[in-house]
Amino acid sequence: EDQVTQSPEALRLQEGESSSLNCSYTVSGLRGLFWYRQDPGKGPEFLFTLYSAGEEKEKERLKATLTKKESFLHITAPKPEDSATYLCAVRRPVGGSYIPTFGRGTSLIVHP
Amino acid sequence: DAGVTQSPTHLIKTRGQQVTLRCSPKSGHDTVSWYQQALGQGPQFIFQYYEEEERQRGNFPDRFSGHQFPNYSSELNVNALLLGDSALYLCASSFGTLGEQYFGPGTRLTVT
Repeated sequence: EDQVTQSPEALRLQEGESSSLNCSYTVSGLRGLFWYRQDPGKGPEFLFTLYSAGEEKEKERLKATLTKKESFLHITAPKPEDSATYLCAVRRPVGGSYIPTFGRGTSLIVHP
Repeated sequence: DAGVTQSPTHLIKTRGQQVTLRCSPKSGHDTVSWYQQALGQGPQFIFQYYEEEERQRGNFPDRFSGHQFPNYSSELNVNALLLGDSALYLCASSFGTLGEQYFGPGTRLTVT
C-alpha cells in the first residue's frame, strides 16, 4: 500500500540549532513531492516541489532534498518564527489520474 | 493579488443536516481541489475539479459532492452529516490539474 511517513512526529530545537525533518514514501510512479508549512488553524503554505532524485531547492533557512525513497527538509539556524507543522505530500498515479497523499506532519517548536 | 479564499470560516451543524462550503481560487488558477483535515492529521484528498468536471476523487463516500462554476470558483456539499465529518475543510487551487497547489485558510466544520 502506498504510504507517506514523516519523522519525527515532534521536534524541539533551540534557536540556531540546525536539524532535518524526514519524509519517506513507498509510492510507485511518483509525480512530484511537495513540502508545506502549516500554522495552527490555518491552511498549508506551499514551500517546495521536487520531481527527481538528486534535486534540491532552497528558500531562506530551508533546504529540501529528494532521493528515490525519501526527502529531507533541512532547517539551518532556525528562529522561533520557524515554529509550525511541516507537511510532506506525494502525488501518485491512480487509474490514469494523480492523487496527492499527505503525511501526518512534523510539529516543530523553536525555543528562543 | 488575492489568494485562495474560503467561506464561511466556521460552521456548526447538527448530525443529519447538509452543508455547503465555498472556495474562490487564486487569480490565474483554473483548478480546485478539496481536502479534509482532522485534528493532528495530514489533509486527505476529497476530489478535484477542472473545466467544471470532477477529474479525480479520493476515498470519500457519495455524501461528498462538489461543483465548479464558469468563474472557476467551487462548492463542496456534504449530505447527511456525521459526527466524524467534523474537521477543517481546505480548498487548494492550481493552474491545471498537475500544477502546484495553493491552499486557502479553511472552513472549520463542527457537527454536533
